[in-house]
Amino acid sequence: QKEVEQDPGPLSVPEGAIVSLNCTYSNSAFQYFMWYRQYSRKGPELLMYTYSSGNKEDGRFTAQVDKSSKYISLFIRDSQPSDSATYLCATQRRGNQGGKLIFGQGTELSVKP
Amino acid sequence: DVKVTQSSRYLVKRTGEKVFLECVQDMDHENMFWYRQDPGLGLRLIYFSYDVKMKEKGDIPEGYSVSREKKERFSLILESASTNQTSMYLCASRDSGTTNEKLFFGSGTQLSVL
Repeated sequence: QKEVEQDPGPLSVPEGAIVSLNCTYSNSAFQYFMWYRQYSRKGPELLMYTYSSGNKEDGRFTAQVDKSSKYISLFIRDSQPSDSATYLCATQRRGNQGGKLIFGQGTELSVKP
Repeated sequence: DVKVTQSSRYLVKRTGEKVFLECVQDMDHENMFWYRQDPGLGLRLIYFSYDVKMKEKGDIPEGYSVSREKKERFSLILESASTNQTSMYLCASRDSGTTNEKLFFGSGTQLSVL
């Protein structure tokens, strides 16, 4: 069993839709949770970061963590064509030296105008 | 602006060749990483380095080695390339002094082994 499982894509939505991207993880030692966004032919870039249960909002993006069910989500409101990318969830154990992240498989999102 | 530079965007090699993938960062970061990215498998860690001349195996180190002689440069070496090493290779760096676990990635090297 993978330590982090991410809903497979691809996901295609119309512009303006609300997008929900989800991951589950297996190890309760994971304390830090991240979402990276990767545009085509580019490396991933950090989009959201949180270390606690609950919601964290940044503009149109909301990251949600539920540690009791080991579930993490990224919501995108009013999605735009520029949001078309692959989204990767990632997690890390607390105190893990060197920032070794465990990534999900990635979900490819396409927002159609 | 922060920059992680990978020497090649695309690379085509033959089975059995020795392959060097170079990565340079200009942020004075202590930690550097090599990942490979494959469809359906996400990013998998090959090797990482905490500091100059220090290295640690990641999850899939077999068939790879690394070199870190200078802080800014982290090289991935495929001793004898095989077709199952055809993949996108991503280098990343991180400042160990921050609490934010942000990795900075290069744009990747798409390696094809024929």
